[in-house]
Parts: sequence; structure tokens; C-alpha cells
Amino acid sequence: QKEVEQNSGPLSVPEGAIASLNCTYSDRGSQSFFWYRQYSGKSPELIMFIYSNGDKEDGRFTAQLNKASQYVSLLIRDSQPSDSATYLCAVNWGGSNYKLTFGKGTLLTVNP
Amino acid sequence: GAVVSQHPSWVICKSGTSVKIECRSLDFQATTMFWYRQFPKQSLMLMATSNEGSKATYEQGVEKDKFLINHASLTLSTLTVTSAHPEDSSFYICSARVASGYNEQFFGPGTRLTVL
Repeated sequence: QKEVEQNSGPLSVPEGAIASLNCTYSDRGSQSFFWYRQYSGKSPELIMFIYSNGDKEDGRFTAQLNKASQYVSLLIRDSQPSDSATYLCAVNWGGSNYKLTFGKGTLLTVNP
Repeated sequence: GAVVSQHPSWVICKSGTSVKIECRSLDFQATTMFWYRQFPKQSLMLMATSNEGSKATYEQGVEKDKFLINHASLTLSTLTVTSAHPEDSSFYICSARVASGYNEQFFGPGTRLTVL
């Protein structure tokens, strides 16, 4: 059973701080990794994806991937109250079915 | 990012009726679309993978005769909930895969179904 694990939170950070969200996955052969943001009552929105070891930066967001440790993280710099949402980690295991397996999500609250 | 629309955004129906939900990729072609269901405060649950021009692939435990999926074109997939019951009330969300990318999926805004 291929699994994606996330701390459910809630993770609470003050405005302006760095929020660090973590995710582990069970299959060492996994190929691509995604972070989605989901506001309450809305559908998920793709923030970033990463497929190579190391860091990938986009604005205030940095995704970090360590395939040896089967670990992917998302850093949000200068956190804003509008960043308060559930963050979903998703993994594509490869192969031809293109499915993503989602973690249960981490609820982030940014306090003004 | 790529844009995916869903229609309707919400629907209320009587028990025993059927409801059709449309999912469209607006600015790209999607050979593969996915249908998810999400209950309040729970994670996304993949229901089925919709492939253009072929039968959908359903996840274990999802009744294919109850949740009919048709993917007749590269930009449109439909989900029909047949003989809906109150326990089918949920948030149904589709996504479309960008074929030229790294399998990223873009989600539609979702359809909130309430069965009375």
C-alpha cells in the first residue's frame, strides 16, 4: 500500500514567520511531488511541483525534495493570514496510470 | 496555470433522481481526467480515472453503475450520479492532467451535491 503521510496540524505561525510543512511517502520509486492549497469549502489549487532532489523556489514558496529520505517539504516565507488553509501533499508513483495519491493535509493558521 | 471548469457549482435534487456534472478543460486538452469526492473535514477520495475515448477506471469500492463517467472529447468529462441517495451528498471535484508536463493535475472548482 503506497502511502503519503502528513502531520494533520493545526500548525500555527505568526504573520511574517516561516511556515514549514512536511510530507513523507512510502515508495522510493516515486517520480513527482505536488503541493496543493485548499481553502475551506473550495477545491485544491496547485502551488508547486518538484521532481528532482533539492530545492525549488517560486516567490514565497520553496519546495524541498530528498528522495533518499523519502521526504518532501514546503516552506512558506513571510507567512500571511491569507495563507491560512489546508496544504495537501500529493505523489505520483510513476507508471501509466497518472494517479496522484494525496496525504490527509496539514491545516495551517497564520495569526495576524 | 491551466483552467478547469465544472458545472453546476451546486445542485440539490430529490432522492432517486440522477444528476450530471460536467468537467471541462478550458485552455488545454486533457486525455485524462479524474473524479474525486470529499466529505466535510476529510481528505480527497479518488473515485475514478476518466480516459478520453475509453472506459473509466474505477477505484475499489466505487460502484461504476452508480457513478457513470463519460469522456467523449479531449476537453469534457461528465459524471452522472444515478439514483442519488442522501448518502451521496458530497463535494465532487474533477481534475485534468496536463499531458505535456509532469502529470500535474489542475482542479475544477467542485460541485456541491445535496440529495434530499
